[in-house]
Amino acid sequence: SYVLTQPPSVSVAPGKTARITCGGNDIGSKSVHWYQQKPGQAPVVVIYLDRDRPSGIPERFSGSNSGNTATLTISRVEDGDEADYYCQVWDSSGDRVFGGGTKLTVL
Amino acid sequence: QVQLVQSGAEVKKSGASVKVSCKASGYTFTTYVIHWVRQAPGQRLEWMGWINTGYGNTKYSQKFQGRVTISRDTSASTVYMELSSLRSEDTAVYYCTRDRGTFDYWGQGTLVTVSS
Repeated sequence: SYVLTQPPSVSVAPGKTARITCGGNDIGSKSVHWYQQKPGQAPVVVIYLDRDRPSGIPERFSGSNSGNTATLTISRVEDGDEADYYCQVWDSSGDRVFGGGTKLTVL
Repeated sequence: QVQLVQSGAEVKKSGASVKVSCKASGYTFTTYVIHWVRQAPGQRLEWMGWINTGYGNTKYSQKFQGRVTISRDTSASTVYMELSSLRSEDTAVYYCTRDRGTFDYWGQGTLVTVSS
């Protein structure tokens, strides 16, 4: 089955830029979705179809996808961005696959 | 407004079954597929399967094939997920989520605890 690889943790100072990667074989040919999950809460989509932002999600959140890596970029990081972030795609059989998740720590 | 409201926490013995419900409101129930995703304590999100709420057809992750059944009651705008032959590794929070090209709305989660 298709495997998505994320770094377990990323740390960033407030006001700086965080980049969270999601690696997969030819992931650039798939559509990637990113979810934010805070402790004790259900996930929330922050980026869908590689780079689209749902209404209500700040412009500070952006996404890109090419080759074997998709990236979620959070600009001007705030304390409230501290959370787990998961990437997700469809695999070739139509199953949904999640990455292992990345814990974003705001220093 | 769109809401997915799930049933309450469950405690089950190993070998038993659990059935979790997910009631949808705020949109036409049969328009969108509903998926089930679970999360064991401290672990990643894990996709379990989906149901086409209009036609009733389903697709399951191979990992759960034979143990999971997803069904729906269109008159009640409710989707159900039943997991059988429970073991301790099935202790997790179970979420339903709506598929609108992405998982745009999620239920609040249902904690299922499996004890021996």
